Amino acid sequence: ETGVTQTPRHLVMGMTNKKSLKCEQHLGHNAMYWYKQSAKKPLELMFVYNFKEQTENNSVPSRFSPECPNSSHLFLHLHTLQPEDSALYLCASSPGLAGVTQYFGPGTRLTVL
Amino acid sequence: EDQVTQSPEALRLQEGESSSLNCSYTVSGLRGLFWYRQDPGKGPEFLFTLYSAGEEKEKERLKATLTKKESFLHITAPKPEDSATYLCAVQAGAQAGTALIFGKGTTLSVSS
Repeated sequence: ETGVTQTPRHLVMGMTNKKSLKCEQHLGHNAMYWYKQSAKKPLELMFVYNFKEQTENNSVPSRFSPECPNSSHLFLHLHTLQPEDSALYLCASSPGLAGVTQYFGPGTRLTVL
Repeated sequence: EDQVTQSPEALRLQEGESSSLNCSYTVSGLRGLFWYRQDPGKGPEFLFTLYSAGEEKEKERLKATLTKKESFLHITAPKPEDSATYLCAVQAGAQAGTALIFGKGTTLSVSS
């Protein structure tokens, strides 16, 4: 595997379900990110981790819970989501935080029924 | 407020018809401007990073330029495989955190 991988690629869940999204980066980077991309809207940053420590939480509802066990893996735990949370969830990684390129994974298409 | 505006929202070109996409930005201290290409249902694919006014970068049929207020992505003699949404993003000064601020993108369609 190379680059940034995400699983699953597609997920359908009910509002009462609990699920998790997984991201793994094979680039040796130290920072990892979760973004949300909704139709007709710009990408929105959700969370930032640097060396496993969360450095930013962009006012994300508590029904989204991130976890970063090491610099290569990032999870997004989902529970009691709303239909408006349906979107493409993108993971990205970068060598550092300032002025460096972020590399994105293929995304998880989430549908909340 | 830091923001990024891309124009046009959509662009239709004939194969071989060169054009430019615009990304205008207002940020407090630019730390980097990034261009990405995104195909439907996929994650953004990195194209270019620009750091200072006057900087230019090229890759195949694409050339990105940067001024103090905007960036252009020039597409020379496009082919149908260049059809995609092109995203522009900026990283503002240290006080703004580390977030990339994205524009809404320009969707390019190239027909043969």
